Amino acid sequence: NAGVTQTPKFRILKIGQSMTLQCTQDMNHNYMYWYRQDPGMGLKLIYYSVGAGITDKGEVPNGYNVSRSTTEDFPLRLELAAPSQTSVYFCASRLRGGENEQFFGPGTRLTVL
Amino acid sequence: KQEVTQIPAALSVPEGENLVLNCSFTDSAIYNLQWFRQDPGKGLTSLLLIQSSQREQTSGRLNASLDKSSGRSTLYIAASQPGDSATYLCAVAPVGDYKLSFGAGTTVTVRA
Repeated sequence: NAGVTQTPKFRILKIGQSMTLQCTQDMNHNYMYWYRQDPGMGLKLIYYSVGAGITDKGEVPNGYNVSRSTTEDFPLRLELAAPSQTSVYFCASRLRGGENEQFFGPGTRLTVL
Repeated sequence: KQEVTQIPAALSVPEGENLVLNCSFTDSAIYNLQWFRQDPGKGLTSLLLIQSSQREQTSGRLNASLDKSSGRSTLYIAASQPGDSATYLCAVAPVGDYKLSFGAGTTVTVRA
């Protein structure tokens, strides 16, 4: 299994541009999550999904959108990028059930100039 | 709302010393507690998962304990090495919630 994969690894955007961060997991996990981590700070949850077709907001959803059309994929869309969205973005997944382990992708480092 | 706290925020020890990292949480209604390691500029790697019914888990030089009633977990790393330098995060899976609650992490430096 490849686990949780994210693309791209790095990206520089100009203010106002849009982009989609890709996340795929091959573990047949039901739950998927998007976090952001600012330098020297903890993780903040952006959006999460408990299954295909179901998404919900986390702590910091403004400026982002998600979709979950398949179990495997959970893309994060940034519309009208702003410097405040400069961060490292992590995708994670977990099998349904509270007792299961959460796995993280390697992250996407995004800079908005 | 579940609050997870990790103290201290940073720790520096000489090589060979045992590391003790603390994690506390406010609500004992949890499924499990997970310890992660994060190297600078990298993602989070799962180290240990302790189910709520367990008291401890061990993996090599790592040992994690869980006292659910007091809302505490401790990660012990024996005979620390410079390669153990990283940030260690704990997270709990609250009952009735799909999302983990994370601590802010403890940044460890092991001096050679």
